[in-house]
Amino acid sequence: NAGVTQTPKFRVLKTGQSMTLLCAQDMNHEYMYWYRQDPGMGLRLIHYSVGEGTTAKGEVPDGYNVSRLKKQNFLLGLESAAPSQTSVYFCASSYGGPVRGDTQYFGPGTRLTVL
Amino acid sequence: DQQVKQNSPSLSVQEGRISILNCDYTNSMFDYFLWYKKYPAEGPTFLISISSIKDKNEDGRFTVFLNKSAKHLSLHIVPSQPGDSAVYFCAASKGKAAGNKLTFGGGTRVLVKP
Repeated sequence: NAGVTQTPKFRVLKTGQSMTLLCAQDMNHEYMYWYRQDPGMGLRLIHYSVGEGTTAKGEVPDGYNVSRLKKQNFLLGLESAAPSQTSVYFCASSYGGPVRGDTQYFGPGTRLTVL
Repeated sequence: DQQVKQNSPSLSVQEGRISILNCDYTNSMFDYFLWYKKYPAEGPTFLISISSIKDKNEDGRFTVFLNKSAKHLSLHIVPSQPGDSAVYFCAASKGKAAGNKLTFGGGTRVLVKP
């Protein structure tokens, strides 16, 4: 049971380049999330999904797109990377079933640097 | 505006003593609160939670207290151990109707000295 995994672990991009971050979970969770963590600012929600084929904007969605084509996967895309997107990105998932399950389980993170 | 705040960015405590971490929130719609622990180069891991219908929840060395009227929660770690040195985040949720989204505080870095 791997939990939540993220690919890649590290990446360096040049301004204007694009990339996709992959998140996978094997807990059969309905809900998935993408956060970014910047120094002193905690974790801020970028986008989230409450089920396969659905996505919604979070607190800081500009410059990012997401897709949830399969229940177990949640992709985060940067179409034209900017230095302001240098950050550590975390994916998380939560139960989403009839019994309340607010607890989110996090992946190990992807450290992205945009030059 | 930050809806969840951790006003102490860092805390240093001697091994064996109590660590007290504080968190304040502004939105009265939050009804579930969580604490996460984060080591460097790892993802946050869930530590303990509390529903707004309770004022205390205990799990081993960790106890969370909630004061709804003051919109304040705290995490007590007793006794503190060197392995507790990490960044701690408090988070708040409005439940499934809001997608189980969590709003995080800025974190408190705890250093436990041997």
